[in-house]
Amino acid sequence: EIVMTQSPAILSVSPGERATLSCRASQSVNSYLAWYQQKPGQAPTLLIYGASTRATGFPARFSGSGSGTEFTLTISSLQSEDFAVYYCQQYNDWPRTFGQGTKVEIK
Amino acid sequence: QVQLVESGGGVVQPGRSLRLSCAASGFAFSAYAMHWVRQAPGKGLQWVATISSDGNKGYYPDSVKGQFSISRDNSKNTLSLQMSSLRAEDTAVYYCAKGQYYDGSGHFDYWGQGTLVTVST
Repeated sequence: EIVMTQSPAILSVSPGERATLSCRASQSVNSYLAWYQQKPGQAPTLLIYGASTRATGFPARFSGSGSGTEFTLTISSLQSEDFAVYYCQQYNDWPRTFGQGTKVEIK
Repeated sequence: QVQLVESGGGVVQPGRSLRLSCAASGFAFSAYAMHWVRQAPGKGLQWVATISSDGNKGYYPDSVKGQFSISRDNSKNTLSLQMSSLRAEDTAVYYCAKGQYYDGSGHFDYWGQGTLVTVST
C-alpha cells in the first residue's frame, strides 16, 4: 500500500499570505495525484488532478506541482474562503490512498 | 450538473447489515466508474470501494474486502454499497463519488454530500 504523508498537519496563515502544503508518497505515483478541499460540514471537492491541473471553478491562486513522490499545493494569496482541510490522494495504484490532511486555519 | 445523492444511513447495531444507495444524475452514469469513500468523525478520508462502469469489476481495500460489496444498476442510475458484519469502526460518513474514467482509474471528480452510518448498541 502506498502511504501518503502530508505536512504540516495544521498551517496557520494570515489572509493574503502564501500557503505551501506538502504531500509525500512512500513510492512513486508518477503524476497520478489529486488534491481535494473540504470545508466544515461539506463533502470534499476536487481541486487539483494530474498533480498540477486545476479543476473547474478554482482560481489561479491555487497551483499544484511535483511528480514521483514529492508534491506541493500552493495557495498564493489566501482568501477567507480558502480556510479548509486539504487532502492529497494517489490514484496510481490500488488501494487508493489519501493523506491525513492539512488544515489551513486563520492566523 | 452532476448530482450524487446518498441515502440509507442510520444507526445500526454491531454485527448487522446495512445497504447504502447513491442516486446519480446530470451525467452518463453508465459510462463512468463509481466509488465509495468514508470519513470517520473528525478523521480523514478512506477509500472503501470502486466499481467499473459496466459493473463487472470491483475493487476494495483489504480492510473491507469480504465485508462490503459494491454494485450498480445502470438502468436506474443507482450505485449501492452493501455492508455486513458492521463494527463500531465502520461508523463514518459515506460518500459516493464519480470516477474520471470507466475502469476505475483516474481521480474522483464529483462527490455527494454523504450519509452517516453509526454502528452502536
